[in-house]
Amino acid sequence: NAGVTQTPKFRVLKTGQSMTLLCAQDMNHEYMYWYRQDPGMGLRLIHYSVGEGTTAKGEVPDGYNVSRLKKQNFLLGLESAAPSQTSVYFCASRTGDDTGELFFGEGSRLTVL
Amino acid sequence: GQNIDQPTEMTATEGAIVQINCTYQTSGFNGLFWYQQHAGEAPTFLSYNVLDGLEEKGRFSSFLSRSKGYSYLLLKELQMKDSASYLCAVTDSNYQLIWGAGTKLIIKP
Repeated sequence: NAGVTQTPKFRVLKTGQSMTLLCAQDMNHEYMYWYRQDPGMGLRLIHYSVGEGTTAKGEVPDGYNVSRLKKQNFLLGLESAAPSQTSVYFCASRTGDDTGELFFGEGSRLTVL
Repeated sequence: GQNIDQPTEMTATEGAIVQINCTYQTSGFNGLFWYQQHAGEAPTFLSYNVLDGLEEKGRFSSFLSRSKGYSYLLLKELQMKDSASYLCAVTDSNYQLIWGAGTKLIIKP
C-alpha cells in the first residue's frame, strides 16, 4: 500500500529558483493538504483542496501555488524560492468526512540557499 | 485568535506513565486529534475525541473536556520507542485543523 507519496524527498535550491513538489495518493481521498513544519512551530497549512479542480489558501499561502488537476495528485509550486521557505513540507490527505484522520506523506526537506 | 498549548518537552522513565496535556482556544470545536511523530518522519494518527470522556486504545488513552478546552494523552508502560513528538490538533468550526507545536517526549532507561 503506497498511501501518500511525495517527491522529491530532499532538494537544495538557490534563491530565485523554482520547483514543484508532487504529492500522489492512491486512497481515492477527496481532501488533500500541503503543510510546512518548522522547528518549534506547529504544522502550518499552505494550501488545500477539497476535490479535483479545486484549491484554497491556508494559513501561509504567500510564495506558493498549487494545482489539483487529477484527484490523486496535488502539486505545490515555488515560483521564486526564498531562504524563508527552507522547511520540511508534508502532504496529507483524507476522505470527504471532515472528521477523518489525515494520512501524511513522508515529507520533503527543502533548503533554499 | 486560535491557540493550542502543549508543553514543549517532557521526560519520563521506561515502564512509567506519562500524561501530555493540551489546552485549546478555537473558534468552534469539531473534534480533537492526537498524532505521534518520530524524528524525521511523518505524523501518524493516534486518537480522535469529539465527545467528553476517555478513549482507550491499548497503552494509549486520550481524554477530552470540551467545557474546559482541555485534553490529555496518557501513555502507560512506556517503551523506548515511545520517544517522539506528540501533536495535538483541533478541528474548528470551519473544519480546519489547528495544530499545536507538539510535545517532545524523551524516554530514559
